[in-house]
Order: sequence, then structure tokens, then C-alpha cells
Amino acid sequence: QVLLVQSGAEVKRPGSSMMVSCETSADTFTSFAVHWVRQAPGQGLEWVGVVVPGIAKVNLAQNFQGRATISTAASSNTVYLQLNNLRSGDTAVYYCARALGSSGYYNSWGQGALVTVTS
Amino acid sequence: DIQMTQSPSTLSAYVGDRVTITCRASRNINNWLAWYQQKPGKGPKVLIYKASILEDGVPSRFSGSGFGTEFTLTITSLQPDDVATYYCQQYIYYSSFGPGTKLEV
Repeated sequence: QVLLVQSGAEVKRPGSSMMVSCETSADTFTSFAVHWVRQAPGQGLEWVGVVVPGIAKVNLAQNFQGRATISTAASSNTVYLQLNNLRSGDTAVYYCARALGSSGYYNSWGQGALVTVTS
Repeated sequence: DIQMTQSPSTLSAYVGDRVTITCRASRNINNWLAWYQQKPGKGPKVLIYKASILEDGVPSRFSGSGFGTEFTLTITSLQPDDVATYYCQQYIYYSSFGPGTKLEV
């Protein structure tokens, strides 16, 4: 079974930054894409962006361009999502998910990380 | 961007019923569509990909159909365990999701 293990819940102040991590396997890191999807409380799923670690290619949804960064650490097969200038509307569960490519369906998901933005 | 819509937004049915959820894309996505089930408090789980292919381990009472811009998810012989929100996702161009259909049994 494919495992994606995410970092824990965070509480952040408006205007600050968050960083959520997603630890994958060597196989996932070299051969698949890792997407970020978020879900605000009681709301639907929103695609944030994707990284293909094997070729270091990143694409972000238009809503997150300029504010989000997706990065990787090959030494630990880990993918990171950083979101800057947080506002209350960024309160959500952030999921990482594995797909075959930058466009793909998700057959494996992380457990999710709740980020709460509150003053 | 490709916009996805779903109908209905909420659906109430009885055990044993057959239910259908519709998903529409704002432009042609061929059959690059997946369906997910999300139970309360849990993460999403893929049911169907490429519009009609059942993911391993998913009960055969779930089925998908469609091509182009209109797609359906059908659940036959509804079970209490099927209480969940169902989402469609296009993946011809990165990714986007429908708003979800909440199923009450």
C-alpha cells in the first residue's frame, strides 16, 4: 500500500506563512507526481498545485500563483507546500495525493493536515 | 480552467435504491474523469477513473459512464455504508473538482 505521511496540524496568524510536508516513498518520488488539494471546513475539494519531483516541474492553480510554493527534498523523498500571507479563508485540511502525472487521478492520499488561520 | 458542475447537490434515497449523480465539464475532457467518495471525517477515496473503470476493491454496485462533457455515477442497490459526499474530477488539464453531491441513505 502506498503511504503518504503528512505533517501535523498547525495554527497560524493572518499574514504569516505555513508549510506542510508530505513524506513519500522513493518509488513515488522518482516516478509519480504529487498534488496538493485542500478542503475548507464543510466545503469541497480545491486543487492547489502539483510537482513532478523526478523532473522538478511545478504547476500551481491560478488562485495560488504568487502565494504558494511547492518544493521537494530528494534526500527524504518529501514534498512541501508553503503558502504565504495567510488569511482566514486558507483555513482548511491540506492533502497531498499521488498521481501518474501532472494530470492524473489520485489513487493514494495523505492523511491530511489541518491548518487553522486565526488571530 | 475547466469548470466542473454536479447535480444534484444533495440526494436522499433508501437502502436498495438505484441512484445517479451527474457531472458536467465546461469543455470536452474526453474520458479523463474520476469519481471519489468521501465519508464524514475521512479523506477522499477513488471509485472510478477514466470515466468507467472501477478501481480495485470497489464494489461492483458502483459504475460510471459518459464521454466528452457529461458523465454519470450510478450506485445500484444502495447500502447504508454509501452515505458520503461524491466528487467528480477532471484530469485532462491538471485537475479540478465538482462541488460534490451529498448522499443520504
